[in-house]
Amino acid sequence: GENVEQHPSTLSVQEGDSAVIKCTYSDSASNYFPWYKQELGKRPQLIIDIRSNVGEKKDQRIAVTLNKTAKHFSLHITETQPEDSAVYFCAASIMRGGADGLTFGKGTHLIIQP
Amino acid sequence: NAGVTQTPKFQVLKTGQSMTLQCAQDMNHEYMSWYRQDPGMGLRLIHYSVGAGITDQGEVPNGYNVSRSTTEDFPLRLLSAAPSQTSVYFCASSYRFPTGRTSYEQYFGPGTRLTVT
Repeated sequence: GENVEQHPSTLSVQEGDSAVIKCTYSDSASNYFPWYKQELGKRPQLIIDIRSNVGEKKDQRIAVTLNKTAKHFSLHITETQPEDSAVYFCAASIMRGGADGLTFGKGTHLIIQP
Repeated sequence: NAGVTQTPKFQVLKTGQSMTLQCAQDMNHEYMSWYRQDPGMGLRLIHYSVGAGITDQGEVPNGYNVSRSTTEDFPLRLLSAAPSQTSVYFCASSYRFPTGRTSYEQYFGPGTRLTVT
């Protein structure tokens, strides 16, 4: 089955700096890669996703890049703010013409230092 | 819309007891799933369903049963609870076949924190 590795497990950056979280996946058939943000004691929420036919996607301060050849994808957050502090999870899935279960990475605890 | 709801929010069980975690959604989503979240382990898929009457196993199905008799409900049963099942359980739902205005986004419920002693 699919295996998703996520690094780093903890990332501390100064407010206003950029943060990058990286994930690798094992199954070359995976074609859907979402990122979820989870604040303490709350449910995960989707912040951005990308499909395998796209190399990059942006949404304001957040961007995701995908390298299918190397089987890795990354989350980039620019101009970080205190409210960006949370745990971020990457995930991968094979969408066989419909939604299927996600395989998650183990998460990155992002800490924004004031 | 209430979205995805889960009951109970907290539960303490003794080893060997059984219980059912409830999950319901009012978005007419075909796809529903159960995940467990343990510290440092991320979320792991237990079981999922692509529609009423259809269920399948995920990554960690042992010790859990599911059924899907309606589109709205997807209960998770623990037949004989074990301390290893102490975890936070999240139910999620999504469109199975997104159209141009919808996506594969998984909508998560608020979670059930289960402790087995």
